[in-house]
Amino acid sequence: GQNIDQPTEMTATEGAIVQINCTYQTSGFNGLFWYQQHAGEAPTFLSYNVLDGLEEKGRFSSFLSRSKGYSYLLLKELQMKDSASYLCALGGATNKLIFGTGTLLAVQP
Amino acid sequence: DADVTQTPRNRITKTGKRIMLECSQTKGHDRMYWYRQDPGLGLRLIYYSFDVKDINKGEISDGYSVSRQAQAKFSLSLESAIPNQTALYFCATSDPGQGATDTQYFGPGTRLTVL
Repeated sequence: GQNIDQPTEMTATEGAIVQINCTYQTSGFNGLFWYQQHAGEAPTFLSYNVLDGLEEKGRFSSFLSRSKGYSYLLLKELQMKDSASYLCALGGATNKLIFGTGTLLAVQP
Repeated sequence: DADVTQTPRNRITKTGKRIMLECSQTKGHDRMYWYRQDPGLGLRLIYYSFDVKDINKGEISDGYSVSRQAQAKFSLSLESAIPNQTALYFCATSDPGQGATDTQYFGPGTRLTVL
């Protein structure tokens, strides 16, 4: 089976940097996804890591370490609109995604 | 226009009623998925379809059925709704060949309440 753990909630300040962690136990996976979801809205794709290392996309970066069973999403120059849930998901061989329960990020002025 | 649409967006029904949620997409993707989202439980896969002739159960398919009427349409039915099926339902699509695992694109969701 697969198990994914994320902090339930985090708070950060506008303009700051925040790191959202995701740890997992799994027998195998193709890649790790990060999605953003504003309250009551659809999840939207942020990033995807297949290999170990850092993937950077503007203010968002995602890191994967397969040997440590660990990923993080790094958000820089936080804006109020970044207040949302951030979902970590493992992509399997049959293309199914297994989602974590998400981290609710509150950005404060 | 939205690439993935869901109807209805909100629905309140009573226990025992049959309900159909519909999903349409203009992305031209072969693969479609139905998820439900509950507070504290995250997104869970109900059914998925990799093409019109392919239907597969996800982790929580009991009490649900699906129909893939065309490449662009994937419907989810609750044959006899019960209160613990109250949830936010999402449809998603993906296109094979973009990597080891497809990126999935989600519709706006249907909020279903079963009284």
